[in-house]
Amino acid sequence: SQELEQSPQSLIVQEGKNLTINCTSSKTLYGLYWYKQKYGEGLIFLMMLQKGGEEKSHEKITAKLDEKKQQSSLHITASQPSHAGTYLCGADIIGVEGTYKYIFGTGTRLKVLA
Amino acid sequence: DGGITQSPKYLFRKEGQNVTLSCEQNLNHDAMYWYRQDPGQGLRLIYYSQIVNDFQKGDIAEGYSVSREKKESFPLTVTSAQKNPTAFYLCASSISGTFNYGYTFGSGTRLTVV
Repeated sequence: SQELEQSPQSLIVQEGKNLTINCTSSKTLYGLYWYKQKYGEGLIFLMMLQKGGEEKSHEKITAKLDEKKQQSSLHITASQPSHAGTYLCGADIIGVEGTYKYIFGTGTRLKVLA
Repeated sequence: DGGITQSPKYLFRKEGQNVTLSCEQNLNHDAMYWYRQDPGQGLRLIYYSQIVNDFQKGDIAEGYSVSREKKESFPLTVTSAQKNPTAFYLCASSISGTFNYGYTFGSGTRLTVV
């Protein structure tokens, strides 16, 4: 089972619509990172959240970490075709060994219809 | 401009052959990582290195080997012992292995067994 669940797995929206992607863990997230990946390319770092309740925005993308630090949401306002790609969350959690472990979600594939 | 360069972008391997994927960074980052990405499985950590001449196994190290002779370089060899090597391989680096500021990723190498 995945330690970091993303939902939905895929999303198709009409240009101009808003959308939200979620990243959920059963463990405390000591750092939460959002990345964007175009098909066949590397991941581009979008933003990092560390404090419960923290919210950051970059252009039309807003990410929030909940107070309990177990869920993050990525919200895109007025989506554009340039937003298309796969969004992955990454997180620092405490692994079974008792040390920090950096894991990734499985990704949410976003398609924006013009 | 600073960044991570992975080469080649596409690589084909015959059965029983070892192949080496290159990863070079000029970001002066201490830590470097190799991930494997398969559809629906997210990123899985193969090996990581926090300092020159030292590296640690990740979650799926079997059939792979690495070296870290220089800070800038972290090549990955996919050996013949890796029975299912077809995947997208991503190299990443970060400022420090002990605190996560977010990773910088290369553009990836797609390895196919022929």
